[in-house]
Amino acid sequence: GAVVSQHPSWVICKSGTSVKIECRSLDFQATTMFWYRQFPKQSLMLMATSNEGSKATYEQGVEKDKFLINHASLTLSTLTVTSAHPEDSSFYICSWLLQETQYFGPGTRLLVL
Amino acid sequence: QQPVQSPQAVILREGEDAVINCSSSKALYSVHWYRQKHGEAPVFLMILLKGGEQKGHEKISASFNEKKQQSSLYLTASQLSYSGTYFCGHLEQGGKLIFGQGTELSVKP
Repeated sequence: GAVVSQHPSWVICKSGTSVKIECRSLDFQATTMFWYRQFPKQSLMLMATSNEGSKATYEQGVEKDKFLINHASLTLSTLTVTSAHPEDSSFYICSWLLQETQYFGPGTRLLVL
Repeated sequence: QQPVQSPQAVILREGEDAVINCSSSKALYSVHWYRQKHGEAPVFLMILLKGGEQKGHEKISASFNEKKQQSSLYLTASQLSYSGTYFCGHLEQGGKLIFGQGTELSVKP
C-alpha cells in the first residue's frame, strides 16, 4: 500500500523552457502533499507544502512564481519549473502525508542544459 | 531547525552492527526514519511516537528518548541490502518533515 508515482523519471531540457512534473498517489487519497529538492550528496530540502484546494505554502528562499504547484485533486499534484536554468538541475521528489507518515514518489531527475 | 545525525558515514562488513544517532535542539514528539538508496526516493522505515519507545523492523530497530530529544537507529547483523543513506526527521506543524543531513552506510562483503 501507499504507492506514489512520479512522471517523468528523467527530463533533460534547454535553459529557458518550462518543465512539468506529475505526482500521483495510486492507492490512497490524501489532502496534504510536499515537494522536495535534493542536490547530490545532500539531504532533502522541503520546497513547499500543498493542501488540496488551497494555495501552496513555500519555504523561505523558494520562488513561488518559478515553482508553480497545482494540487488538482486528492491524488494528483504537479510541479512546474518555469524558465528553468542550469542551477535548477536537481532531483525533485514528492510525498503525500497519510496518517502522520510521508510516502515518497520515486523522484524526477531534472537536467537543464 | 534540522536534526543532527552522527556519524556522517560508516563502513561495515556484512554481519557487523551499527548505530546511527539523531538529536534535535527542539522538543520532539515523533521521530521518523527513512532509508534512501542512491538515485531513489526515501523509503519509510519506522516512526516512533512516544518517549522511550522502541520499535523493530527486521534487524533494524530504533529507540526514542523524548526527554533527551534523541533517537538512535540500530542495525544488527548488517546485510548488503542495508547500504544507503539513512535520514531521521521530525514532524512540524502541518505535517512538514524536517530531515537530518543523513548518514551514509556502506556494507561490504
